[in-house]
Amino acid sequence: DIQMTQSPSSLSASVGDRVTITCRASQSISRYLNWYQQKPGKAPKLLIHAASSLQGGVPSRFSGSGSGSDFTFTISSLQPEDFATYYCQQSYSTPWTFGQGTKVEIK
Amino acid sequence: QVQLQESGPGLVKPSGTLSVTCAVSGGSISSSNWWSWVRQPPGKGLEWIGEIYHSGSTNYNPSLKSRVTMSIDESKNQFSLRLSSVTAADTAVYYCARLVLPGGIPWFDPWGQGTLVTVSS
Repeated sequence: DIQMTQSPSSLSASVGDRVTITCRASQSISRYLNWYQQKPGKAPKLLIHAASSLQGGVPSRFSGSGSGSDFTFTISSLQPEDFATYYCQQSYSTPWTFGQGTKVEIK
Repeated sequence: QVQLQESGPGLVKPSGTLSVTCAVSGGSISSSNWWSWVRQPPGKGLEWIGEIYHSGSTNYNPSLKSRVTMSIDESKNQFSLRLSSVTAADTAVYYCARLVLPGGIPWFDPWGQGTLVTVSS
């Protein structure tokens, strides 16, 4: 199985801050990497697919980059509705696997 | 747009079988997509359980493969998950999701709202 490791596991930030989350795969996965946002009691929501492609309807303050085994997810200016847990997920090979999540909390 | 809705028993006894169904609306389950199950234990992360194609082809997570069965009912536009010999460790919110593969790199979208299944006597 491909292991996905996110860092940090949690962070505190203020509205307007730039937030960066990293995701590392245990092997090269090219650009087969997706990012999801999950709010408490809700299902995950796709934000970015194929490492850097913004899903339709998702605000442009969200972005992703990377290839191979190292990836970055960025929120350029944190908004109140962005406080949530974010997961990376590899779609290079089954079993599809997720990172452990990064919880973004209010500072 | 496609929407997914899970339904399940809520409570299952240890050693029993968990059964959850996902109803698909706004699109055909016979389209060129895989239909997946993902679970999330309370307060924990996401675990992929497996997926099924409308032809009946399946892929299961090896960690659960011996206990998982997935099926699809094209006439009802729904698919189902059965997990046998459950223990408290199987207590989780069970999500169904569509696996989209438009250009070779797949992703999960949309997701159902999830259904909590608790394993307890």
